[in-house]
Amino acid sequence: DAKTTQPNSMESNEEEPVHLPCNHSTISGTDYIHWYRQLPSQGPEYVIHGLTSNVNNRMASLAIAEDRKSSTLILHRATLRDAAVYYCILRDVHSGAGSYQLTFGKGTKLSVIP
Amino acid sequence: NAGVTQTPKFQVLKTGQSMTLQCAQDMNHNSMYWYRQDPGMGLRLIYYSASEGTTDKGEVPNGYNVSRLNKREFSLRLESAAPSQTSVYFCASSPHGQGGSYEQYFGPGTRLTVT
Repeated sequence: DAKTTQPNSMESNEEEPVHLPCNHSTISGTDYIHWYRQLPSQGPEYVIHGLTSNVNNRMASLAIAEDRKSSTLILHRATLRDAAVYYCILRDVHSGAGSYQLTFGKGTKLSVIP
Repeated sequence: NAGVTQTPKFQVLKTGQSMTLQCAQDMNHNSMYWYRQDPGMGLRLIYYSASEGTTDKGEVPNGYNVSRLNKREFSLRLESAAPSQTSVYFCASSPHGQGGSYEQYFGPGTRLTVT
């Protein structure tokens, strides 16, 4: 899977929007962009994924740049429960046995200030 | 609908002891996975099962064995525990394994300490 780059940490005030960036300049045309988060002492939790178009679900929105070399996870109103490590992961839709693994990097640690 | 469940939640072993970590999912998913997470690190895949009856090695399989007991259950066995296997172990499942459009659902983890 291609590499992603994320800031180590970010802070947000409670009830404000949060934009979490991810750079993936070597993304291939068949790579899906996935976001997971991990709350303290819990297992990772799927957040959202997309291929080319922007995506919305009940948890977040995913904005994908036109050239697909970067993306942004948007939390519309941060709550204290959103404090977690957020991981941006690329997965090839057509790859072979290696595609089974989610390759987690260091992610972005989001702190939410009350 | 419990999702992915893991037992036990915590375990302390002495070097050389053996144990089995249990995982079950109730989402009728085909694929299941075992990951480990060391302090301050991302998750690394130990073994996976693409479908019932198949298992394959992941990135860090040494020292572990797995069994896909049926479609619901996937167990991880440490035959002779070593301090290097002190970690948090996560089980996950997904509708299908291959391909980038399927998300994985994770259990709450087992915290294992080997002394």
